[in-house]
Amino acid sequence: AAGVIQSPRHLIKEKRETATLKCYPIPRHDTVYWYQQGPGQDPQFLISFYEKMQSDKGSIPDRFSAQQFSDYHSELNMSSLELGDSALYFCASTYSTGTSAGNTIYFGEGSWLTVV
Amino acid sequence: AQKITQTQPGMFVQEKEAVTLDCTYDTSDPSYGLFWYKQPSSGEMIFLIYQGSYDQQNATEGRYSLNFQKARKSANLVISASQLGDSAMYFCAMSLGGYQKVTFGTGTKLQVIP
Repeated sequence: AAGVIQSPRHLIKEKRETATLKCYPIPRHDTVYWYQQGPGQDPQFLISFYEKMQSDKGSIPDRFSAQQFSDYHSELNMSSLELGDSALYFCASTYSTGTSAGNTIYFGEGSWLTVV
Repeated sequence: AQKITQTQPGMFVQEKEAVTLDCTYDTSDPSYGLFWYKQPSSGEMIFLIYQGSYDQQNATEGRYSLNFQKARKSANLVISASQLGDSAMYFCAMSLGGYQKVTFGTGTKLQVIP
């Protein structure tokens, strides 16, 4: 079965540079989430989109932005990178329309960002 | 706001034994979903099992079962017949449903001993 696809899997950037992460959700999933996981930490919610509209916002720095496109793929743009942005970035997706008591949320394999 | 608590930072289990990973949650919303994810050292977040708040029976998926005690607000993961490949970080998580985000606990690092 198709899973959540993230690219690139690894990238190395210098301070103050810009990085873009891409996410392709599972087909027919209408909701995408972005998470950041620092070393030894649990994943922290950044932002989510439902049907291409921003649905929730967490602890996402102003230097970061994201959007979901008409084909439901999403991109996370990170500018003015700092050393502290080094982390594993997850995209996750689910089909949420009409559901109430939760719905299975699947994660991609993550994108490792190292800022040097 | 919802909160997930995992009180076991690390656990050891002998190969082929069963192990229970604890998880308690807190929410005032009657509709929610509980999840367990496995994160091996390679980093990917692997979905293991899901329990909806209205589900009458405990969820099971192969060697994984979720011991759901609604009144106690607990959702413990039971892994039967542990294997060396089960060594990983395990996260309990919760969502309030619909397009609501998943909130994670701090995780339990499980190590399976030969």
